[in-house]
Amino acid sequence: EDQVTQSPEALRLQEGESSSLNCSYTVSGLRGLFWYRQDPGKGPEFLFTLYSAGEEKEKERLKATLTKKESFLHITAPKPEDSATYLCAVRNAGGTSYGKLTFGQGTILTVHP
Amino acid sequence: NAGVTQTPKFQVLKTGQSMTLQCAQDMNHNSMYWYRQDPGMGLRLIYYSASEGTTDKGEVPNGYNVSRLNKREFSLRLESAAPSQTSVYFCASRDFNSGNTIYFGEGSWLTVV
Repeated sequence: EDQVTQSPEALRLQEGESSSLNCSYTVSGLRGLFWYRQDPGKGPEFLFTLYSAGEEKEKERLKATLTKKESFLHITAPKPEDSATYLCAVRNAGGTSYGKLTFGQGTILTVHP
Repeated sequence: NAGVTQTPKFQVLKTGQSMTLQCAQDMNHNSMYWYRQDPGMGLRLIYYSASEGTTDKGEVPNGYNVSRLNKREFSLRLESAAPSQTSVYFCASRDFNSGNTIYFGEGSWLTVV
């Protein structure tokens, strides 16, 4: 069974204080690791997809990296508008749940001015 | 471009009542999904439709039925609502042409009393 564990559950940062969120996973044949951002009262918003160990993707102050067992979402010099819940999900190689994503429980990021 | 649209946004039901959540996507995606999100549980797949005319159970299908009305629309029905179905429901669709990314709607908040 695929499993995704995110840590920490909650993270408070001062504006400009860089940090990283962790996503550990076990999956039977990784076919993509996905990062989403979710604002309160909204649906998850797609950020990145990573497919193989060593791959990196960047968008503004966010950088996602992938190893064989975990992914990190690095936030450089965060701003208050980066406050949100960040979700990690994996897709496995096959099985009956076609295209199914297995999600972690998320990390709630709060950036104080 | 509206993306994935869900209705209603909010709904309160009495135990035993029935209702249907509607979902439509305008991105010409083949696959569509219904997830529920509960505190501490993350996003869990209820049902999915790999393509028009097909539907399959996800992780937590009990108490729900779905209909893939056409390529655009995928509805979720609660035949006899129970308090355990109080949750936030998200419809999503999958883009095969852009890294198999899954895009989510804004959510439907359902309370069963």
